[in-house]
Order: sequence, then C-alpha cells, then structure tokens
Amino acid sequence: GAGVSQSPSNKVTEKGKDVELRCDPISGHTALYWYRQSLGQGLEFLIYFQGNSAPDKSGLPSDRFSAERTGGSVSTLTIQRTQQEDSAVYLCASSVGQGSYGYTFGSGTRLTVV
Amino acid sequence: QQQVKQSPQSLIVQKGGISIINCAYENTAFDYFPWYQQFPGKGPALLIAIRPDVSEKKEGRFTISFNKSAKQFSLHIMDSQPGDSATYFCAASEGFGSQGNLIFGKGTKLSVKP
Repeated sequence: GAGVSQSPSNKVTEKGKDVELRCDPISGHTALYWYRQSLGQGLEFLIYFQGNSAPDKSGLPSDRFSAERTGGSVSTLTIQRTQQEDSAVYLCASSVGQGSYGYTFGSGTRLTVV
Repeated sequence: QQQVKQSPQSLIVQKGGISIINCAYENTAFDYFPWYQQFPGKGPALLIAIRPDVSEKKEGRFTISFNKSAKQFSLHIMDSQPGDSATYFCAASEGFGSQGNLIFGKGTKLSVKP
C-alpha cells in the first residue's frame, strides 16, 4: 500500500480482556517496528522484525505482550489480560531494510483499557 | 537503552519567530539523528535528518545543527507558522549495519501564535 496501515484506529477494551492490533507495512519494507506512545511521553520501543524474525524483543514490557509477523508483511501485536496501564497509542513503522534511515509510521491504534 | 534528552517540553512562539528545540545524547555509536513531526491523531512523520559528518543541514525553513563533541543537536524552525504547531521528536540510532532501532526524546509541543 501507499502507507503503513494500522487497525483498528481506536480500541476500547475491558480490563483482563485480550486485544490484537494489526499493522500492514509498506509493500517491500522488510523491517517493521512497534512503538508505544503514552500520554505526554516519547515513543517507547517494543519490538523489531526483520522479515518474519524478531531479533529484538527487548522492549516488550511483560510476558503479556507478544507479536508476530507473517509472510514478511502483516504484523500483529497481542496484549493478553489487558491492564489499565496498557492504555496508550501503539504505533507501527516500517522501513526498506535493516538499519535503513527513516521510518514511515502508521497513524497508530489508540487503546483504552477500562 | 541509551537516552536521548529533549528540551523544552513545550514552546510557544509568535508567527514569524524562530523555534529552537534541543537534544542531547550519550551513545557515541549513534550516527543518525532524525527529527519527526507529529500532528494530533497522526503518526510521526520524518521531517529532516542529519549524520555526524556534517555540522548543519537545512531544508527550507528547517535546520538541524549538530555538535559532535558536545553530543548535542538542535532543530531550528525559521519564520515559524501556525501550521508548524505540532509535537516534535528528536531521535537517534546506530544506523547502517544495526537494526535501525530509533531512540526517541520525549517530545516538544510547539504552539505558534498568529
């Protein structure tokens, strides 16, 4: 596609429920990144994919968070047993290749846990 | 992760004035320093970037100044316009050969008054 597409754009969920956030990167972009943006905070790195592999999961805040990427394209970020502190905007970005300069970000998914 | 420290948190400038945002970093292995602009409800968009082999880069009204010895870089917006009102993030990465993971500052909310 022309840009990075994320869905849903907004998600309200009850505490304790699982949620799945989807990212469609730009076609041909092999590197994919997930970040979390909390109110008034910068962007917190969560996980990086090169192709379907995730060499760096160091930013995932707990074992309730997981992500996968299939076909070198679509990625899903799953949060199990959501907590109120998970409320944030989850941003996905892609780039042409590992170590490439300049990401293209999607518009994010705003997650609210009530 | 090494930090990138950004200041100020917020900035109010009159139309036509100069907006200046500063960032400092610690990791001397960083070799790519982009600035991102984010409007409400949108993902960050790459504005301008610099590598440490130059001290200044200018694109239109936007200039990055880079001081390698001080490990500081700044964004200058000349002739600031109300349409420049947004949140600006500086970032840094080890760039080529690395996974390209960007470390972001916490952002500066710029308001340009007409």
